[in-house]
Amino acid sequence: AQSVSQHNHHVILSEAASLELGCNYSYGGTVNLFWYVQYPGQHLQLLLKYFSGDPLVKGIKGFEAEFIKSKFSFNLRKPSVQWSDTAEYFCAVNGGGYGNKLVFGAGTILRVKS
Amino acid sequence: DGGITQSPKYLFRKEGQNVTLSCEQNLNHDAMYWYRQDPGQGLRLIYYSQIVNDFQKGDIAEGYSVSREKKESFPLTVTSAQKNPTAFYLCASSTYLTGRNTEAFFGQGTRLTVV
Repeated sequence: AQSVSQHNHHVILSEAASLELGCNYSYGGTVNLFWYVQYPGQHLQLLLKYFSGDPLVKGIKGFEAEFIKSKFSFNLRKPSVQWSDTAEYFCAVNGGGYGNKLVFGAGTILRVKS
Repeated sequence: DGGITQSPKYLFRKEGQNVTLSCEQNLNHDAMYWYRQDPGQGLRLIYYSQIVNDFQKGDIAEGYSVSREKKESFPLTVTSAQKNPTAFYLCASSTYLTGRNTEAFFGQGTRLTVV
């Protein structure tokens, strides 16, 4: 079955540390890729998306993600995190074997210490 | 303001009762989705609908039912057959094109507690 895997469920960083959250999906067809963020008490928001073209995608709040097709990966990065980045981050995929369903990973809870 | 409205925000249900969660969108989106969010499990798809009067089961449809009589509305009924209904439920919508290059927008969620 198709799946989306996020490598770490909990990550704790100090402010100004660099962040990389892993995301792998299992289907090799043409896919669309997303990272969503859920800040405490708020609704899910789109951080960035990849449909086609440049595999390095820039999103809001200084986040970026790189699509590596050969590795079925779409890792999220930020060079220097802030306390306000404390949130839960979800990778999601649709298209390919997922059809029009948007399938999510289990999420990564990021806590940034000030 | 365009968006997705879920109601109520908090819902309590007695065991054995059915309950319906509301989801309305004014974004003119064709596709609508229901997800269940549990700690450590991410968002799991319950049902989705790509057009009016049509919907498909997601990965965890058992114990749930939906209808799509109007483009802007996609209510979810949690039936007494759902073994573990206490969860946070999220509704989403997206523009449905023949391709897949769309993003989903989410409502604020409904927290259902069975007492």
